[in-house]
Amino acid sequence: DVQLVESGGDLVQPGGSLRLSCASSGFTFSSYAMTWVRQAPGKGLEWVSSINYSGDTTYYAASVKGRFTISRDNSKNTLYLHMNSLRADDTAVYYCTRGGFYSGSYLDYWGRGTLVTVSS
Amino acid sequence: DIQMTQSPSSLSASVGDRVTITCRASQSINTYLNWYQQKPGRAPKLLIYAASTLYSAVPSRFSGSGSGTDFTLTISSLQPEDFATYYCQQSHSTPPTFGQGTKLEIK
Repeated sequence: DVQLVESGGDLVQPGGSLRLSCASSGFTFSSYAMTWVRQAPGKGLEWVSSINYSGDTTYYAASVKGRFTISRDNSKNTLYLHMNSLRADDTAVYYCTRGGFYSGSYLDYWGRGTLVTVSS
Repeated sequence: DIQMTQSPSSLSASVGDRVTITCRASQSINTYLNWYQQKPGRAPKLLIYAASTLYSAVPSRFSGSGSGTDFTLTISSLQPEDFATYYCQQSHSTPPTFGQGTKLEIK
């Protein structure tokens, strides 16, 4: 079975940094694009960033561009999200998802999410 | 960015009812439209992709239609497990954007 397990969420002060990880299993990780989606408390879904299968092309939402970096280690079947200069409005559950890079794609598997809280 | 607008934002219905949720894109997205279901405290699940293709293991009471800018998600006969929040999402262009969600509640 496909599994995506996020980790790394924590309480962090404004301006701080955090690295989220997403360990995958049950599929050939290196063959799939991957995406981070977040959901602020009580709010809707927001696309954050996507990376292609090889890791050489990335996209970011305007709200995180220049502060967040998506990356992957295909040898470890793991996706990452490096988050710098965190702000209160980055507080959200962050979901790791499979797919979502190309036109016409969809997010067919989601992890359970990891909570990032930015507060002093 | 392409804006996705769902209506209604919330909806009360009874078990057995037929329910339709609408999603409108701010510009044509062909059929690059996906639907997700989210239950409280859970991750979203893919229901329908490419506007009308039912994802694996999704019950046939769910259906999707539309193209261009106007899309619908229909549940033919509501079951207790269908009460959830539904989101549309366009995958026509970057950034991929979601609708604000439609919360389906028990009447």
